[in-house]
Amino acid sequence: ETGVTQTPRHLVMGMTNKKSLKCEQHLGHNAMYWYKQSAKKPLELMFVYNFKEQTENNSVPSRFSPECPNSSHLFLHLHTLQPEDSALYLCASSQLAGREWRDTQYFGPGTRLTVL
Amino acid sequence: DQQVKQNSPSLSVQEGRISILNCDYTNSMFDYFLWYKKYPAEGPTFLISISSIKDKNEDGRFTVFLNKSAKHLSLHIVPSQPGDSAVYFCAANTGLTGNQFYFGTGTSLTVIP
Repeated sequence: ETGVTQTPRHLVMGMTNKKSLKCEQHLGHNAMYWYKQSAKKPLELMFVYNFKEQTENNSVPSRFSPECPNSSHLFLHLHTLQPEDSALYLCASSQLAGREWRDTQYFGPGTRLTVL
Repeated sequence: DQQVKQNSPSLSVQEGRISILNCDYTNSMFDYFLWYKKYPAEGPTFLISISSIKDKNEDGRFTVFLNKSAKHLSLHIVPSQPGDSAVYFCAANTGLTGNQFYFGTGTSLTVIP
């Protein structure tokens, strides 16, 4: 596998379910991101992990819970979601080099989530 | 409030002609900009970037122009090819927001053979 992979690619869940999205990057990067893309809206940054430490949480509801066990893996745990949470969830990674954070982010293919 | 705007949701261009995709921003602190390209069922892929110290950056058929006074950037594709048909996103960043980028809503480009 190369680049950034995400599983599953599609997920349908009920509002009472608990599920997890997985992201893995094979690029040797040290920063990982979760984005949400809803129809006709810009990509919304949800979480940022730099060197496995969470540095950003853009007012994301607690029903979304990220986990970054190492610099190659990122999870998004989902519980008691709402129908309006249906969206494409994209994972990205980048390489932070010292103080140079103007790094290019490499995206995975996304997980298309539908909440019934 | 959306800080990066792509006001044209779609654009159709004849093969071989120039495609011009536009992006406007409101935050004068933005000083680094990128364009991403996205095919269906794939994640966005990096295309080209520009820093605010430049007003033009070129990479093959792709050129990005930055007009800081107008808070406007554009992506030119010359000549356009059918394989360029995709959704194009612009994104912006400021030194104050670390590695957080602000994205536009995208423009869907169709290149007609």
